Amino acid sequence: NAGVMQNPRHLVRRRGQEARLRCSPVKGHSHVYWYRQLPEEGLKFMVYLQKENIIDESGMPKERFSAEFPKEGPSILRIQQVVRGDSAAYFCASSPTSGGGHNSPLHFGNGTRLTVT
Amino acid sequence: SQQGEEDPQALSIQEGENATMNCSYKTSINNLQWYRQNSGRGLVHLILIRSNEREKHSGRLRVTLDTSKKSSSLLITASRAADTASYFCATDDNNDMRFGAGTRLTVKP
Repeated sequence: NAGVMQNPRHLVRRRGQEARLRCSPVKGHSHVYWYRQLPEEGLKFMVYLQKENIIDESGMPKERFSAEFPKEGPSILRIQQVVRGDSAAYFCASSPTSGGGHNSPLHFGNGTRLTVT
Repeated sequence: SQQGEEDPQALSIQEGENATMNCSYKTSINNLQWYRQNSGRGLVHLILIRSNEREKHSGRLRVTLDTSKKSSSLLITASRAADTASYFCATDDNNDMRFGAGTRLTVKP
C-alpha cells in the first residue's frame, strides 16, 4: 500500500516564480493537511482540506498561497511570486477521518523542500 | 489555536539509558499523539492516547497523560542509537492537529 506521496522532493525557484507542490494521500483518505517546517523547528499548520472543500486555512498566508484538493487527482499547494522567506520543507499528511474528533493518526509524506534563490 | 510544547528542546543520552520527553498544552483535547521524525523525512505516528486514558504502552514506549495538568510524557526505555530523531507531540484543535517544536533526541552508541 502506497503511503502519502509528495512531489517533487526538492524544488528550486527564483524569486517571483510560482511553486506547485503535489500531494497524493493514502488511497481512501479524504482528509489532507499541509504543514510547513523550517530547519530545527516544529511543524506549522497551514491548511486542512477535504475533497473539494477547504475546511480550515487559518495557518495559510492570505496572499500568494492557495490550496486545493479536487475530486480527482492530488492536493496542490500553490505559492505564487515566491520570496526567499518561503524556503522551507512543506509536508502533507492524510487521514481517513478528521484528525481530532475521530482519533485518527496522520500519515505523512516525506515533504517537498522548497529553495527560493 | 493551541499547540503542544515539548520539553526539553534537546536531549543527549547513552545507549541503554531511558529518555523522557514532556509535552504541555493549553486547552482541552480529545486526544494527544506522539510522532517521530528522522532527519529529512516525514513524521511517523508512534502512539495516540485519548483524553480519558492515563497511560499507554507500545513496545519500549510509554506515554502518560495528565489532563488536570495539561501535560503528557513520552518515555523510551533501553534506548538505541536508532532512536535518534526528533519527537513531537500533537494535539487536536477542532479537527486539525497542531504540533509543538519537538525534542531532538540523540542516543550515543
